[in-house]
Amino acid sequence: ETGVTQSPTHLIKTRGQQVTLRCSSQSGHNTVSWYQQALGQGPQFIFQYYREEENGRGNFPPRFSGLQFPNYSSELNVNALELDDSALYLCASSSQMNTEAFFGQGTRLTVV
Amino acid sequence: DQQVKQNSPSLSVQEGRISILNCDYTNSMFDYFLWYKKYPAEGPTFLISISSIKDKNEDGRFTVFLNKSAKHLSLHIVPSQPGDSAVYFCAARDTGGFKTIFGAGTRLFVKA
Repeated sequence: ETGVTQSPTHLIKTRGQQVTLRCSSQSGHNTVSWYQQALGQGPQFIFQYYREEENGRGNFPPRFSGLQFPNYSSELNVNALELDDSALYLCASSSQMNTEAFFGQGTRLTVV
Repeated sequence: DQQVKQNSPSLSVQEGRISILNCDYTNSMFDYFLWYKKYPAEGPTFLISISSIKDKNEDGRFTVFLNKSAKHLSLHIVPSQPGDSAVYFCAARDTGGFKTIFGAGTRLFVKA
């Protein structure tokens, strides 16, 4: 049974650019959530996907968007990158909406 | 608006002694609470959870206590081991179930 994997592990982008982060959920999991963790803070909820549809969103602007595919893998897209978007982006999957989530190792995004 | 607060950024404990990590929350709609452990360069790992209908849940060396009237929960680790040294996040989920709110984390150091 494979765990949650994220790619890439590190990324450097320039302000104004767009970025796509990817997540493969754990086998058998149909729910994926994305979090942003800034330095010294806890993970902040961005949004959640359940069976390919967004079913919850945190306080993030529309330039943060996502997708979930039929195999339950997911993408996080961020447009018009800002310096404050520099953070660790975590993906978590679970078998149902209300069960414990399993996290990937994260993607460290640096915006310069 | 910090709905989940971990007021101690760090805690140092001697090996074999008890570690107590505290967490306070403000939203009375939270009905499920979780603790995650995070090592450097890894994603958070689920540790233990508790439903709001209980006041205690135990799993081996880890026990979580919930005081709903005080909106307070704590994680007890006994006996503490050097391998427990990590950042511990308290998290809470509301009745809708899709959004998990994390605290800022407490870094635990267990000295040998």
